Amino acid sequence: DIQMTQSPSSVSASVGDTVIITCRASQGISSWLAWYQQKPGKAPNVLIYDASRLQSGVPSRFSGSRSGTDFTLIISSLQPEDFATYYCQQTNSFPYTFGQGTKLEIK
Amino acid sequence: QVQLQQWGAGLLKPSETLSLTCAVYGGSFSDYSWTWIRQPPRKGLEWIGEINHSGNTDYNPSLKSRITISVDTSKNQFSLKLTSVTAADTAVYYCARKQWLVKKLDFWGQGTLVTVSS
Repeated sequence: DIQMTQSPSSVSASVGDTVIITCRASQGISSWLAWYQQKPGKAPNVLIYDASRLQSGVPSRFSGSRSGTDFTLIISSLQPEDFATYYCQQTNSFPYTFGQGTKLEIK
Repeated sequence: QVQLQQWGAGLLKPSETLSLTCAVYGGSFSDYSWTWIRQPPRKGLEWIGEINHSGNTDYNPSLKSRITISVDTSKNQFSLKLTSVTAADTAVYYCARKQWLVKKLDFWGQGTLVTVSS
């Protein structure tokens, strides 16, 4: 199985800050990576797919990038509604695997 | 507007079989793959498996011996069965739609909490 190592596991930030979350794949996955946001008691919502493509309806303050097997989610100018948990998922090969999650909390 | 609505028993005893169904409303059923994911309490997401409209499946090897995902195209529904459940299978189970080309999970069910307890 491909392991997805996500960091940090938690981060505290303030409204207006920029936050960077990373995922490292244990082997090459091309750009088959998506980022999801999950709020308590809700299903996840896709933010980014193909490593850097913004899902329709998602604010442009969310962006994604890839460098080899390292993937980055950047949230610029944090808004109150962005405080949630974020997961990466590789869809290069079965079984699809998720990162451990990053909980973004208000400082 | 696409909606996924799921249902199934929420309380099981050890060794029983978990059974969940997800109905898809709106959109084309045959143009996507259909996925099950679970999330134990206060933990992360685990991909269980998926099926396409033709019935082709892929399962997580960690669960493969116990799971069956099936599809009923006449009803636009797909189902999950997980046999011989234990407390470790306690989780919120989600169904979701996966696009073939870009492989994103773009629509999700509301989630069903399944608790395994004697």
